[in-house]
Amino acid sequence: KNEVEQSPQNLTAQEGEFITINCSYSVGISALHWLQQHPGGGIVSLFMLSSGKKKHGRLIATINIQEKHSSLHITASHPRDSAVYICAVIKGAQKLVFGQGTRLTINP
Amino acid sequence: DTAVSQTPKYLVTQMGNDKSIKCEQNLGHDTMYWYKQDSKKFLKIMFSYNNKELIINETVPNRFSPKSPDKAHLNLHINSLELGDSAVYFCASRAGTGGYHIYFGEGSWLTVV
Repeated sequence: KNEVEQSPQNLTAQEGEFITINCSYSVGISALHWLQQHPGGGIVSLFMLSSGKKKHGRLIATINIQEKHSSLHITASHPRDSAVYICAVIKGAQKLVFGQGTRLTINP
Repeated sequence: DTAVSQTPKYLVTQMGNDKSIKCEQNLGHDTMYWYKQDSKKFLKIMFSYNNKELIINETVPNRFSPKSPDKAHLNLHINSLELGDSAVYFCASRAGTGGYHIYFGEGSWLTVV
């Protein structure tokens, strides 16, 4: 079993829908990243969280350290949000451990 | 200017060859990484360097040898390439340990035939 589990693995929705992607982890962490990987392959860090909640535009990320759970929400989803979203935890000081990714497709 | 740049972006080579992938970051970061993304798109750490010192070596075959001539560069040399080495290799950097954003290169697509 992976130390970082994401759900769902695949998600298809209509433009405008509210999207939630979940991440659960089983190890002690110092922080958690949400990453976005577009079809072209580049990876961008969307958020880095160690507690609470962060918001950037239509994206919101939350983390509950006690429950070892994080969620990424997208409000008013758009086809350009279609990508793979990856949860990654920082284990110890250096090591990133990745979830398997959630492939999101937003249809117009 | 690209913050983390990798070359080459695409590499097709025959089994048994030796190849290198170069990585440079212009962010002044202390920590650099190599990650491998397999055909199922699962990312896994290979190496981590902090100020030119090897910090993490994740049970990678010793055919893979990272080299960090200075803290802005982390190159990956692969000897005796095998079919299973075909993957996308990502270089990344962070300002330090703990809670810092991570910046990825665009990836190097390696195909071994």
